[in-house]
Amino acid sequence: DGGITQSPKYLFRKEGQNVTLSCEQNLNHDAMYWYRQDPGQGLRLIYYSQIVNDFQKGDIAEGYSVSREKKESFPLTVTSAQKNPTAFYLCASSIDRRRNYGYTFGSGTRLTVV
Amino acid sequence: LAKTTQPISMDSYEGQEVNITCSHNNIATNDYITWYQQFPSQGPRFIIQGYKTKVTNEVASLFIPADKKSSTLSLPRVSLSDTAVYYCLVAISGNTGKLIFGQGTTLQVKP
Repeated sequence: DGGITQSPKYLFRKEGQNVTLSCEQNLNHDAMYWYRQDPGQGLRLIYYSQIVNDFQKGDIAEGYSVSREKKESFPLTVTSAQKNPTAFYLCASSIDRRRNYGYTFGSGTRLTVV
Repeated sequence: LAKTTQPISMDSYEGQEVNITCSHNNIATNDYITWYQQFPSQGPRFIIQGYKTKVTNEVASLFIPADKKSSTLSLPRVSLSDTAVYYCLVAISGNTGKLIFGQGTTLQVKP
């Protein structure tokens, strides 16, 4: 079945460490996105990529980095510069970025700083 | 960009029909209205989308009046497993494809 796979589901990070969240899709979607969700909040865009080897900052990119070396993969690195990284992270891909449908989300990674 | 307004929360009982209304201003005539469902610690899941009038699928109906200033998601005969947050989306951000999420409506279905 086609879909998006995020791993790990739970991740713990020590202060000052960088961690990388994995996102893989087999939907042949060009566009991929990383969102952050805090308790009781909607989703906020961190980074997005519309094509391989290209990505753009979203609304809250500070303290995060991404790469898009392959169409299927869009990993997110949470760096030590991100002061409040504890959150639920969601990866998504879309068949058509010009419409608000056709988006598929992964099951998320919950990151906790310990 | 169009902004959406939904009730923060709603309660219902099993077997009842639930209607969640979303208000949206400045929606373009060719914009689709899309609803997503999100369970705790999971990604949002597409429920239904519509352009105008009425759309029905196996899980929900979507009613859109002619002026498109609001839309209503209708869930027939809800069960406990329908307890979730429901998001109404009408906008994307220019060429980025960024979905504009509000706070959503938390639906609590009681036995």
